[in-house]
Amino acid sequence: GAGVSQSPSNKVTEKGKDVELRCDPISGHTALYWYRQRLGQGLEFLIYFQGNSAPDKSGLPSDRFSAERTGESVSTLTIQRTQQEDSAVYLCASSLGTARNNEQFFGPGTRLTVL
Amino acid sequence: GEDVEQSLFLSVREGDSSVINCTYTDSSSTYLYWYKQEPGAGLQLLTYIFSNMDMKQDQRLTVLLNKKDKHLSLRIADTQTGDSAIYFCADLTGGGNKLTFGTGTQLKVEL
Repeated sequence: GAGVSQSPSNKVTEKGKDVELRCDPISGHTALYWYRQRLGQGLEFLIYFQGNSAPDKSGLPSDRFSAERTGESVSTLTIQRTQQEDSAVYLCASSLGTARNNEQFFGPGTRLTVL
Repeated sequence: GEDVEQSLFLSVREGDSSVINCTYTDSSSTYLYWYKQEPGAGLQLLTYIFSNMDMKQDQRLTVLLNKKDKHLSLRIADTQTGDSAIYFCADLTGGGNKLTFGTGTQLKVEL
């Protein structure tokens, strides 16, 4: 594929349920990022994967949030026991290497609504 | 932590210049970016500037950086209706691995 893809594009869930969001980065991109964008706000960094290094999880807002990445491909962001404040657009980005020298390409996002 | 601030809204007439401003707090920022977000679309990188530069020009876009005041601006010359979007500034923090975004400036171009 030409760009970063994310699925589902929209997810509506009930409070307390778990959700999984998927990101397919651009092939060959070693770095992958997850961000959260609440309505009317900028993006908040959540987590960063780079190759085989330990991920930078410093942006995860609580232990209900976790993410995994299989090698240098697909990543899933899991939110357990969802709360209404988790409602947001979750954006994934990938880059060839570290952000310092490489542009981050963003996917279209997954809009999560927690009822 | 790092804080990036932008004004929320800007309205200009078609053909005029637009200037979108941004301030940041991290003095160790190395790269600063401008992203464009159109309705229903992902973020698109418009341009970036390295922190040792004062200005960068790319066609209709001019980026000015005042590192002393930690102020970044994006000037769009001859603004068109297709420029209507939300513009985010962002800087590279956290050892160079993560972007800190401003809240975004909604640019509205009127005929």
